[in-house]
Amino acid sequence: NAGVMQNPRHLVRRRGQEARLRCSPMKGHSHVYWYRQLPEEGLKFMVYLQKENIIDESGMPKERFSAEFPKEGPSILRIQQVVRGDSAAYFCASSPPQGASYGNEQFFGPGTRLTVL
Amino acid sequence: DAKTTQPNSMESNEEEPVHLPCNHSTISGTDYIHWYRQLPSQGPEYVIHGLTSNVNNRMASLAIAEDRKSSTLILHRATLRDAAVYYCILRDAIKAAGNKLTFGGGTRVLVKP
Repeated sequence: NAGVMQNPRHLVRRRGQEARLRCSPMKGHSHVYWYRQLPEEGLKFMVYLQKENIIDESGMPKERFSAEFPKEGPSILRIQQVVRGDSAAYFCASSPPQGASYGNEQFFGPGTRLTVL
Repeated sequence: DAKTTQPNSMESNEEEPVHLPCNHSTISGTDYIHWYRQLPSQGPEYVIHGLTSNVNNRMASLAIAEDRKSSTLILHRATLRDAAVYYCILRDAIKAAGNKLTFGGGTRVLVKP
């Protein structure tokens, strides 16, 4: 069973461009989470999605950031008009359908490292 | 959200046990104690979790104080591959907020050969 896949692994963008980060959850998982790790800082929750629904976006910046998890295909984290402060590692995690329960672990992908020039 | 407090760093010798403490004095009755670790340049990985009783798995053991205000992650025989940042996280079993993981600073474990 393949783990959580993220692509690209490294992404370089110039200020003002758009960044699209993709996450394919583990097979059978319908819950996806996005976290951001700024340089020399801890991991911060951004958003929690189930298929076609955003469940909790309390950690998402109010502007320029959006996330989706369509019925078919990977989850996408989109950052419009990137700025240097968006440079970070973005991690996706998934959990199985009963993922709302306390005990289920989250399985993390290898991350996408975004560099904004 | 209940918070956790961990030492910033710990050192251990290879093949020796490592005891990683975590204080969570404001833990609620519905909070589970989870541990994750993050190896260099990788995503976090689940280690273990528990509620009240001590827990053992292939990776580690979790010892939970009787009053649940603290816990200790035990790596029985540290290897160089165990060098990572270890995070102690409380997850609420009832509230929707328990779906997300709230990472603190963690404990950076250095294993010396």
